[in-house]
Amino acid sequence: EAGVVQSPRYKIIEKKQPVAFWCNPISGHNTLYWYLQNLGQGPELLIRYENEEAVDDSQLPKDRFSAERLKGVDSTLKIQPAELGDSAVYLCASSLRGDTEAFFGQGTRLTVV
Amino acid sequence: GNSVTQMEGPVTLSEEAFLTINCTYTATGYPSLFWYVQYPGEGLQLLLKATKADDKGSNKGFEATYRKETTSFHLEKGSVQVSDSAVYFCALSDRGYGQNFVFGPGTRLSVLP
Repeated sequence: EAGVVQSPRYKIIEKKQPVAFWCNPISGHNTLYWYLQNLGQGPELLIRYENEEAVDDSQLPKDRFSAERLKGVDSTLKIQPAELGDSAVYLCASSLRGDTEAFFGQGTRLTVV
Repeated sequence: GNSVTQMEGPVTLSEEAFLTINCTYTATGYPSLFWYVQYPGEGLQLLLKATKADDKGSNKGFEATYRKETTSFHLEKGSVQVSDSAVYFCALSDRGYGQNFVFGPGTRLSVLP
C-alpha cells in the first residue's frame, strides 16, 4: 500500500514569492493534517481536515497561508508571499477517522532566501 | 492545553547500552500516546503506541508503558544499535479534543560503534 506522498521534496524560493505544496494521503483516510517542523523542533499543527472540511485551522497564519482539500482527497498548502522565517519542513499526515495512528509523508523542505 | 515534554538531547550511547528517553504529558482528556522516530532525511515513522493506562507498546526492541498516575510514557531499549541513531518524538492524540497530534521537541540519539 502506498504511503502518504508529498511533493516537491525540496523547494528554494526568494522571499515574497509564492509557493505551493501538494499531499496525497493514504487511500481511504478521511483525516489529513499539515504540520510545520522547524529545525530541531517537534512538528506543530497548521491545519486538520476531516474529508473536505477544515475542522481546525486555528494555528494557520491566514494572512499568508492557505490550504484546500478538494473532493476530500489530495490537499494543497500555499504560502503567499513567503518570508525568510517560513524556511522549515512541511509535513503532511493522514489517518482513518476514529483511528489513533497518523501516517506521515517525507515532507517538503522549504528554503526561503 | 495539551503538551508533551521530553528529556533534552542529544543522547550519545555506545552500542549495546541501555536506553531511556523520558516523556511526560499534560492532557485535558484521556489521550493515546505514541513514540515516533525520524531518521535523517525522512519523515516520521510510528515506533509504538498505547491507548489506555498500563498498556505497554513495543516494537523493534523498544518499549514504553502508559503511566496515567505519573502522566509518563518513557521509551526504553535494552541494547541499542548504531542503526537506532535518529530523533525520537513523544506525542499524544486526544480524541476527546479533536484528535490533533501534539508532539514533544524530540530527542536526538547517537549510537557509537
